[in-house]
Amino acid sequence: RKEVEQDPGPFNVPEGATVAFNCTYSNSASQSFFWYRQDCRKEPKLLMSVYSSGNEDGRFTAQLNRASQYISLLIRDSKLSDSATYLCVVTTGFQKLVFGTGTRLLVSP
Amino acid sequence: DTGVSQDPRHKITKRGQNVTFRCDPISEHNRLYWYRQTLGQGPEFLTYFQNEAQLEKSRLLSDRFSAERPKGSFSTLEIQRTEQGDSAMYLCASSLFQGGSNEKLFFGSGTQLSVL
Repeated sequence: RKEVEQDPGPFNVPEGATVAFNCTYSNSASQSFFWYRQDCRKEPKLLMSVYSSGNEDGRFTAQLNRASQYISLLIRDSKLSDSATYLCVVTTGFQKLVFGTGTRLLVSP
Repeated sequence: DTGVSQDPRHKITKRGQNVTFRCDPISEHNRLYWYRQTLGQGPEFLTYFQNEAQLEKSRLLSDRFSAERPKGSFSTLEIQRTEQGDSAMYLCASSLFQGGSNEKLFFGSGTQLSVL
């Protein structure tokens, strides 16, 4: 089983739609959780950290369920510029960061 | 530019040759990571350093791969006797680790390796 698993998509949504991505992780001792965004042929960039209580940054909401070892990212009012791959990231072991395969989002006009 | 820089951006080599990549992290960052990414996959962990100490190396990494960070600043990743399967984007990232659980990575633009 992979340490971090994501649905690869692609998710095709129209502008203005709400879309949710899920991620599961295998190591129950994992401590930190993040969502990164990666545009085509670019490096990953931090989108947001994920806190136990859930957190929101504008149109983006992240949730963590430690009991189910599950992380989610919700994007409201999708924009064309949200089209990218969203990478779920978990710290494990000596706190190295492990990436999922990413979920590709395509927002169309 | 004060971000993470990688050199070269692109490298084309013949199978069996050795290649070396360089990464210069953000100056005050104490941790430096190497990842490898192929098309349609997320970045795969290779190794990382805290200052000059190499803390972990992926079990998936063969003996042909070696990385150094001799003075705790820049790092090099060498691949000996390259194989076609080594073709990938090699990403370097750095972070300022101060304990706790909120380590944020900053990535360089990567080195795209093509082994012919």
